[in-house]
Amino acid sequence: DAGVIQSPRHEVTEMGQEVTLRCKPISGHNSLFWYRQTMMRGLELLIYFNNNVPIDDSGMPEDRFSAKMPNASFSTLKIQPSEPRDSAVYFCASRKQLGGELFFGEGSRLTVL
Amino acid sequence: GDSVTQMEGPVTLSEEAFLTINCTYTATGYPSLFWYVQYPGEGLQLLLKATKADDKGSNKGFEATYRKETTSFHLEKGSVQVSDSAVYFCALPTQGGSEKLVFGKGTKLTVNP
Repeated sequence: DAGVIQSPRHEVTEMGQEVTLRCKPISGHNSLFWYRQTMMRGLELLIYFNNNVPIDDSGMPEDRFSAKMPNASFSTLKIQPSEPRDSAVYFCASRKQLGGELFFGEGSRLTVL
Repeated sequence: GDSVTQMEGPVTLSEEAFLTINCTYTATGYPSLFWYVQYPGEGLQLLLKATKADDKGSNKGFEATYRKETTSFHLEKGSVQVSDSAVYFCALPTQGGSEKLVFGKGTKLTVNP
């Protein structure tokens, strides 16, 4: 079975540009999570969805960040406008059931110049 | 709120040395506890878990025992290999159940031949 698929793997953009990160969770998983990883702050949960519905977005840094999950097989994380401090690795993870194992994608490394 | 605290890294060992990475937790009730591992350039993956007090999780020669008395879940391995070089994360679910997984800051392990 395919794992969690994220794209792009690497993105370099200039400050002020819009960035869209994409995630395809594992088929049959009903929870999806977006995490951000930086050296300074470690791994931070941004938002998570259950059955395509956003449950908790308290980790989203500010209004420049938004996430959607239009169906069970696709989610996006958008940053508009991007800033240099948004540079990080963004991970998507999915889970089949409550309490179950999280399966992570390989991450999208974002660099904002 | 619920949280985990890991020992600061980095940790550098020689092959076949004994490894301990400390993790303590603060939680309401007795949640499941997890160790995840992140190999270079990859996403996190589950290493082991324990679902109740006194449980021992084990995998790939690693072990961790859920100790309620000391609120700890230390990771150990008797003889590390170069291939164990990675970042290790302790984690627990919050919100009274298993909705969100909160991670420690990670401990980077380097094993030299």
